[in-house]
Amino acid sequence: AQSVSQHNHHVILSEAASLELGCNYSYGGTVNLFWYVQYPGQHLQLLLKYFSGDPLVKGIKGFEAEFIKSKFSFNLRKPSVQWSDTAEYFCAVNALGGYNKLIFGAGTRLAVHP
Amino acid sequence: DTAVSQTPKYLVTQMGNDKSIKCEQNLGHDTMYWYKQDSKKFLKIMFSYNNKELIINETVPNRFSPKSPDKAHLNLHINSLELGDSAVYFCASSPTGLALNEQFFGPGTRLTVL
Repeated sequence: AQSVSQHNHHVILSEAASLELGCNYSYGGTVNLFWYVQYPGQHLQLLLKYFSGDPLVKGIKGFEAEFIKSKFSFNLRKPSVQWSDTAEYFCAVNALGGYNKLIFGAGTRLAVHP
Repeated sequence: DTAVSQTPKYLVTQMGNDKSIKCEQNLGHDTMYWYKQDSKKFLKIMFSYNNKELIINETVPNRFSPKSPDKAHLNLHINSLELGDSAVYFCASSPTGLALNEQFFGPGTRLTVL
């Protein structure tokens, strides 16, 4: 069965620190990959997505992610975080061969201190 | 303009009651979904309808019954509510459920069963 692993469950950073959140998936075929963000009390918003092409994907608010097929990874990065980045971050994958079903990781809670 | 809307935003009810959550999308999408986010923030798909036809039905108790009167609406009816049904329920839509593409999420409905 397809699964998504997010290794960091809770990350605490100071403002201006660099961020990298890990995401690995288990599926050998063609996949679409997503990072969603959920700010406190709000709904899911798409940060960025990878469908094909350049494996380095740039999203909103200065976030980027790199798809490394050989490692089944899609890590999220931001060079300098802000207090407003405090949120829950979800990696998700859907896989060719099935319906458009998103499989989510367990999420990473990021707390940024001023 | 709200793309994917859900009502109500909050729902507090007693065990054993029957309740419904409504979802509407104005994006012209063919496919709609219901996801459940539990108290640990874990997101899991429940159902998906493509053009009013059920295409994804995960292992969900029979007490949950989705209904799609048209492709712009997907409602979730829950019978005999239990404490464990307390969660945030997210509706989503996508252009199609028959191929891989992005999903757009609604604001969520926080259900609390007392």
